[in-house]
Amino acid sequence: DGGITQSPKYLFRKEGQNVTLSCEQNLNHDAMYWYRQDPGQGLRLIYYSQIVNDFQKGDIAEGYSVSREKKESFPLTVTSAQKNPTAFYLCASSIGSGITYSNYGYTFGSGTRLTVV
Amino acid sequence: AQTVTQSQPEMSVQEAETVTLSCTYDTSENNYYLFWYKQPPSRQMILVIRQEAYKQQNATENRFSVNFQKAAKSFSLKISDSQLGDTAMYFCAFADGTGKLIFGQGTTLQVKP
Repeated sequence: DGGITQSPKYLFRKEGQNVTLSCEQNLNHDAMYWYRQDPGQGLRLIYYSQIVNDFQKGDIAEGYSVSREKKESFPLTVTSAQKNPTAFYLCASSIGSGITYSNYGYTFGSGTRLTVV
Repeated sequence: AQTVTQSQPEMSVQEAETVTLSCTYDTSENNYYLFWYKQPPSRQMILVIRQEAYKQQNATENRFSVNFQKAAKSFSLKISDSQLGDTAMYFCAFADGTGKLIFGQGTTLQVKP
């Protein structure tokens, strides 16, 4: 079945460490997104990629980095520069970008809960 | 910049009754899409219903319907015959011209038996 796989489900990070969250899709979607979810703040966009080897910053990109070397994969690295990384992270994909494809909405992964210990 | 506002952080409803969740948005675009997503305790995001801005007819999906008021920039979700499985957080979202989704803060809905 096609879908988005996020791993791990739970991740613990020590102070000063970088950690990488995995996101893989087999939907043949061009666009992929990373969101951060905090209580009372909804989902905020970290980074997005509309095509392979290209990505753009979202609203809260500071302290995060991404890569898009393959269409199927869009890993998110939470660096030590991110001062408050404890949150729930959601990866999503869509068929394409632009208003033509907006009707389809997103397909979401099941999320990764990151906790700083 | 587009914004989406959900002014009801928490709501509750008795099983079998009807509840309406509110959402307002701000945009200067004329062509866009609006969505309601459900996030149950499993935290898996599920698309509930979508609305195209250029269609005046309100979208309906079984027990879920919307009241779309384009001039007022309002997009409320009505859940009829509420069921225990409707207990979840509900997010209103706006798709801009780039296809990015902009989410509201969410409304936690509790359906009581």
